[in-house]
Amino acid sequence: ILNVEQSPQSLHVQEGDSTNFTCSFPSSNFYALHWYRWETAKSPEALFVMTLNGDEKKKGRISATLNTKEGYSYLYIKGSQPEDSATYLCAFRGDRGSTLGRLYFGRGTQLTVWP
Amino acid sequence: DSGVTQTPKHLITATGQRVTLRCSPRSGDLSVYWYQQSLDQGLQFLIQYYNGEERAKGNILERFSAQQFPDLHSELNLSSLELGDSALYFCASSVDPTPSSYNEQFFGPGTRLTVL
Repeated sequence: ILNVEQSPQSLHVQEGDSTNFTCSFPSSNFYALHWYRWETAKSPEALFVMTLNGDEKKKGRISATLNTKEGYSYLYIKGSQPEDSATYLCAFRGDRGSTLGRLYFGRGTQLTVWP
Repeated sequence: DSGVTQTPKHLITATGQRVTLRCSPRSGDLSVYWYQQSLDQGLQFLIQYYNGEERAKGNILERFSAQQFPDLHSELNLSSLELGDSALYFCASSVDPTPSSYNEQFFGPGTRLTVL
């Protein structure tokens, strides 16, 4: 069984706070790591696809880093806003065998930003 | 709006019944994926189709089946429904599922199935 773990499960912060959360995945047979943002009653929206060890991606106030050797990725949100409230999902894609092409999702980190 | 459409949005039915969920992928996407989101579970991969053919199978029950039609829309059939089948069912699509692609998947709004 391939495990993708996300922590914390939920997070409550004040508007303006910066925050970060973690995605852990297998360090072997790595191909790509995806981050999605999922707002209530909407569909998951792709944020980043990360492929190389040491990758850093940025979109506005949201950024992500990748460490494939140790099997983790961090997602950072700088100066959180109420509209950032959502569940953030990461998904692992392996490079061979039964994992090829499939995305394995973590359970997500639910972020609530209070005004 | 991702460009992936799913119908219906909500479905309420009884145990033992059979339902069909429908998905239309983004224009140009050949690959369709089905996922199940149950309470306290992450998105669980069910099955993938590429250009009409089954490409990969995940945790899909034998009571469930899917197909992709020549116009690339897909249907997920759930039969002999049980209470535990109540979940949010997502469809996603991508352009190219080959190993050289990064397989960015675009999700539809989901169908919420309630089995009473």
